[in-house]
Amino acid sequence: NAGVMQNPRHLVRRRGQEARLRCSPMKGHSHVYWYRQLPEEGLKFMVYLQKENIIDESGMPKERFSAEFPKEGPSILRIQQVVRGDSAAYFCASSPLDRGQETQYFGPGTRLLVL
Amino acid sequence: GQQVMQIPQYQHVQEGEDFTTYCNSSTTLSNIQWYKQRPGGHPVFLIQLVKSGEVKKQKRLTFQFGEAKKNSSLHITATQTTDVGTYFCAGKGGTSYGKLTFGQGTILTVHP
Repeated sequence: NAGVMQNPRHLVRRRGQEARLRCSPMKGHSHVYWYRQLPEEGLKFMVYLQKENIIDESGMPKERFSAEFPKEGPSILRIQQVVRGDSAAYFCASSPLDRGQETQYFGPGTRLLVL
Repeated sequence: GQQVMQIPQYQHVQEGEDFTTYCNSSTTLSNIQWYKQRPGGHPVFLIQLVKSGEVKKQKRLTFQFGEAKKNSSLHITATQTTDVGTYFCAGKGGTSYGKLTFGQGTILTVHP
């Protein structure tokens, strides 16, 4: 049973470009969460999605950031017009549908570097 | 909003010494989870505590959940170099969905 998959693992972008980060949850998991982590800092919640629905986006910056989890395919975190401050590790986590089974399983992360 | 504070931020120990990290929430939690992240790695789930006053053990690791369900601790007995990493607590509030609020983490260094 494959774990949470994220790609790319490393992404380099120049200021002003777009970054697309992909996350495939574990099989049978329908909840996806995105987190951002700066060096030697904690995990900052960004957004929580279920299939075709954004449940909580309270941690998402108001501009340039968007997320989706379509009916088919991976969840996508999209950052438009990247700036140097967007450089960070972005982790995706998934959990099962069942309430009470709320353990989140993390993917390996995408390390984004903005030049 | 809910805040989860974790102390200390850094801890350096000699191999064989004990280590404890503490987690405190601004609100009552429905459960708390602990994760470990190795340098350059991703957070890995260790355990979930649900009941008031709950204590769980995993080999040399002991996890406690406070009576008021607002604080928790992780204690490692006789640390080993393999214990190196960042330990995060993550609390779930009373909402119906699974959003977790993470503490800032404690970075543990173990000197051989």
